[in-house]
Order: sequence, then structure tokens, then C-alpha cells
Amino acid sequence: DGGITQSPKYLFRKEGQNVTLSCEQNLNHDAMYWYRQDPGQGLRLIYYSQIVNDFQKGDIAEGYSVSREKKESFPLTVTSAQKNPTAFYLCASSTLRTGSYGYTFGSGTRLTIV
Amino acid sequence: RKEVEQDPGPFNVPEGATVAFNCTYSNSASQSFFWYRQDCRKEPKLLMSVYSSGNEDGRFTAQLNRASQYISLLIRDSKLSDSATYLCVVNFAGGYNKLIFGAGTRLAVHP
Repeated sequence: DGGITQSPKYLFRKEGQNVTLSCEQNLNHDAMYWYRQDPGQGLRLIYYSQIVNDFQKGDIAEGYSVSREKKESFPLTVTSAQKNPTAFYLCASSTLRTGSYGYTFGSGTRLTIV
Repeated sequence: RKEVEQDPGPFNVPEGATVAFNCTYSNSASQSFFWYRQDCRKEPKLLMSVYSSGNEDGRFTAQLNRASQYISLLIRDSKLSDSATYLCVVNFAGGYNKLIFGAGTRLAVHP
């Protein structure tokens, strides 16, 4: 079945360490996105990519980095520069067609800094 | 002003009730609209798209008013399983599929 997979589901890291969240899709979608969700808050866009080897900053990119070396994969690195990284991270993918389709989300990674 | 605004709720309703959620958006050039459902500690899932003519899917009806930049979701005969947060979503009118998410309206259906 086609879908989008995030791993791990839960992640604990010490303050000051970089951590990489995985996102893989087999939907043949061109576009991929990373969102952050804090308790009781909406989704905030971190980074997005429309094509391999290209990506753009979203609204809250500071302290995060991404790569898009393959169409299927869009990993997110949370660096030590991110001041408050504990959150629920959601990866999504979509076609590029203007506005016609929604996103498909992965099941998320819950990151806790201890 | 937020790009997509929703009443955060919570809406507490008994089973069988009819409940309506509203949403307003700021970009008049937006073209596509959606309602997503998000269960506690889970990912959002597409509930339905919203079309200008209005559309219905079982107990769920979505309406769009472009003149007022207003979207609504009506749930009839509420079930316990409808308890979730409902996200209003609008496409960013910038030529590609970038969606803007509202913060969500929480619904709690009780026996």
C-alpha cells in the first residue's frame, strides 16, 4: 500500500544534541513538507520541497535543516540551535497540482528533549 | 490577522446533536478548501474537500462562502467517535500546493 512513513514514533535526546527525523513516501509525490505542532496549537510549516535537491524555508525554519536527495525521502535535522525542540513533528507529501489536492501525513514523531 | 481562523472550542455536545464549525480565511485569492480531522496525538487526516456548491458526505456537510471568505462544517447525528479536533485548511494562492492550517476546533461528544 502507498503511504508515508515517519520514524521513529518517539525520540528522546539530550539538550545540545542534533537529531534527525526520517520521512519516506512511496506515493510518487513531488512535494514534501515538515510541520511542527505544539500542544493546543496549529501546524506550523518548517520546510518544504517541491523537487529533488531543492527546498524552501517555511515559517519557523530557524534551528532546523533538511535535505532532498531522493524523491522518496525528506529527512529533518533538529539542531542544537533550535531553542525549544520538544514537539510533535509531522511530515506530509502531495502532488504539485495547484490547490486541488490535500496532503497525506505520516503518523508523526514525538520529540522530547531531556 | 491569522490567515485561517477557527473557534478553538471545545464544543461539548450530546450524542445525536447537530453541531456546526465555522472558519474564516484572509486571502481572497485562495482556491481550495478542506476539512481535516485530527484525533488526540495522531496525524491529521483529510475529512472532505469543500466546493463552492457545497458538498455532503454522509452526516457531514461542508459549505463555502467566497464573498464572506467563510467555510463551515456541519455534523448531524453526532457519534461518540466524532470526538476529535477539526482543522480548517486553505490553499495558499501562490501557484503551488501549499496549505495553511487553522489551529482547529475541538469537539467532544458525550453519551
